[in-house]
Amino acid sequence: DIQMTQSPSSLSASVGDRVTITCRASQSIGIHLHWHQRKPGKAPKLLMYAASSLQSGVPSRFSGSGSGTEFTLTISSLQPEDFATYFCQQSYSSPPTFGQGTKVEIK
Amino acid sequence: QVQLQESGPGLVKPSQTLSLTCTVSGASINSGSYYWSWIRQPAGKGLEWIGRIFSSGSTDYNPSLRNRVTISMDTSKNQFSLGLTSVTAADTAMYYCARGRTIFGVIVVGESWGRGTLVTVSS
Repeated sequence: DIQMTQSPSSLSASVGDRVTITCRASQSIGIHLHWHQRKPGKAPKLLMYAASSLQSGVPSRFSGSGSGTEFTLTISSLQPEDFATYFCQQSYSSPPTFGQGTKVEIK
Repeated sequence: QVQLQESGPGLVKPSQTLSLTCTVSGASINSGSYYWSWIRQPAGKGLEWIGRIFSSGSTDYNPSLRNRVTISMDTSKNQFSLGLTSVTAADTAMYYCARGRTIFGVIVVGESWGRGTLVTVSS
């Protein structure tokens, strides 16, 4: 299985900060990388697909980049509703696998 | 807008079968454009994809669970279900159902998710 490694596992940030989360794949996965957001008690939400495509309805402060083995999710200006856990997921090969998650907390 | 809702027992005894149902609203599970997955997350661990079912009824399972898993669908109720046999404490987890589709040649497993349901395996 392809291993997905996210960093950091958690971070503290303030409203307005620029936040970057990294996801690394154990082998090249092209652009078959997606980012999800999860908040307690809510359904996880797809933010980005195919590394850099913004899912419909997701604010443009979210962006994604990368290809091959290294990917980033960037929040350009953190908003109060963005405090959540973010996780990456690859779909290049089966089974799909996920990163361990990055918890974004309020500083 | 599609909504998914997991349901089923929150407590299952060891060696028994875990059975969960995902009820889909706002979309037909018959649609050929989508497929329907189960994903789980044990406490303190990462997410694990369990398997999926296509509108045709064909299935695809994680090899790590393949000999214990069955995913089925009931189109009359617009539901799909998970069965996991011979459970142990290691199967204690939050279980999610999700809708996926292929977008420009890229498989997206979790385009939409349910909120999840916690299943504990304990006697």
